[in-house]
Amino acid sequence: KNEVEQSPQNLTAQEGEFITINCSYSVGISALHWLQQHPGGGIVSLFMLSSGKKKHGRLIATINIQEKHSSLHITASHPRDSAVYICAVRGGNEKLTFGTGTRLTIIP
Amino acid sequence: KAGVTQTPRYLIKTRGQQVTLSCSPISGHRSVSWYQQTPGQGLQFLFEYFSETQRNKGNFPGRFSGRQFSNSRSEMNVSTLELGDSALYLCASSLARGGYNEQFFGPGTRLTVL
Repeated sequence: KNEVEQSPQNLTAQEGEFITINCSYSVGISALHWLQQHPGGGIVSLFMLSSGKKKHGRLIATINIQEKHSSLHITASHPRDSAVYICAVRGGNEKLTFGTGTRLTIIP
Repeated sequence: KAGVTQTPRYLIKTRGQQVTLSCSPISGHRSVSWYQQTPGQGLQFLFEYFSETQRNKGNFPGRFSGRQFSNSRSEMNVSTLELGDSALYLCASSLARGGYNEQFFGPGTRLTVL
């Protein structure tokens, strides 16, 4: 079993829909990161959180430390949100461990 | 402020050769981490350097090595290249090590081994 599990693996939605991507992890962590990767490879850090909830524009990230679970939400989705979203956790060994990613496609 | 830069962006090598990739962190950032991304294994941690010292290492063979210079620039080297080393190699920099430090990623170097 992978230390970091993401679901769904692929998600296709219509423009304007509310999107939720889930991340579950099995180890103790000091921080959880949500990353966005567009075609071509560049990775952008969206959020870094260790508790509670963070919001940036249309993106919201939450984490439940007790349940070892985090969610990334996108409100009013837009085709430019189409990308791979990756969850990564920093464990006690200070190494980043990555989920396999969720490929999101928003159809106009 | 300039972002993380990586050179070269693309590289083609043949089996058995060696390769050196370079990463220049954001000015003021002292921690540099390297990652390998392949379609089969996804993103995997290679190593982390801070103050010219390797602080952490992932599960990769000794053919993979790196170093960090006094200006925080980092290089990674892969010797005796294998077909399976074909990947996107990403580096990321942060102000300090581990914990609650945001990482800023470079554009990556796409290595193809023939």
